[in-house]
Amino acid sequence: SQELEQSPQSLIVQEGKNLTINCTSSKTLYGLYWYKQKYGEGLIFLMMLQKGGEEKSHEKITAKLDEKKQQSSLHITASQPSHAGIYLCGADTLNTGNQFYFGTGTSLTVIP
Amino acid sequence: DSGVTQTPKHLITATGQRVTLRCSPRSGDLSVYWYQQSLDQGLQFLIQYYNGEERAKGNILERFSAQQFPDLHSELNLSSLELGDSALYFCASSPRASELISYEQYFGPGTRLTVT
Repeated sequence: SQELEQSPQSLIVQEGKNLTINCTSSKTLYGLYWYKQKYGEGLIFLMMLQKGGEEKSHEKITAKLDEKKQQSSLHITASQPSHAGIYLCGADTLNTGNQFYFGTGTSLTVIP
Repeated sequence: DSGVTQTPKHLITATGQRVTLRCSPRSGDLSVYWYQQSLDQGLQFLIQYYNGEERAKGNILERFSAQQFPDLHSELNLSSLELGDSALYFCASSPRASELISYEQYFGPGTRLTVT
């Protein structure tokens, strides 16, 4: 079955520091999504990547999908307390019944 | 605010009971997805509907069923509830559904179900 592995599981950084979260799949991804979730709340859509080598940025968050479309990274530059939350990567496989999978999440704490 | 609404926000019920969760997608979105999020299982895809028809099925139990109505709102029915069904249930919507192209999903705030 399709599985998405996220690393690290949790991250504690000082405000202003850069950080990277990784999402790895054993299979080729057709669509890779990044979401942010505050505990117990809904998921906020951040970005979607579809093409190998694609990179997207929104404010201080940049996401990349590697050429083989099996790994994605989310990079936050100059982190702020507002970046704190749980970051989830999600993917759909298409062509196999449109299954949707999510990683286990990375909990980010930003210390002021 | 994603534009996806879910009701109720919280639900507490007893084992063996049946509940219905409701979702209204973003205006114009034709596709609705249901997910279950628990501490031990993470976020699990249950089922997808597109324009009233079932499109994809994930880890949905036989005790659970869903439907999407002509006005595109969707309901998730959970019956013979067990303690292990306690979780956050999310609905998401997207503009379309395709086997060739991915579309971003917008999530509702969730319904927290507690089975006692």
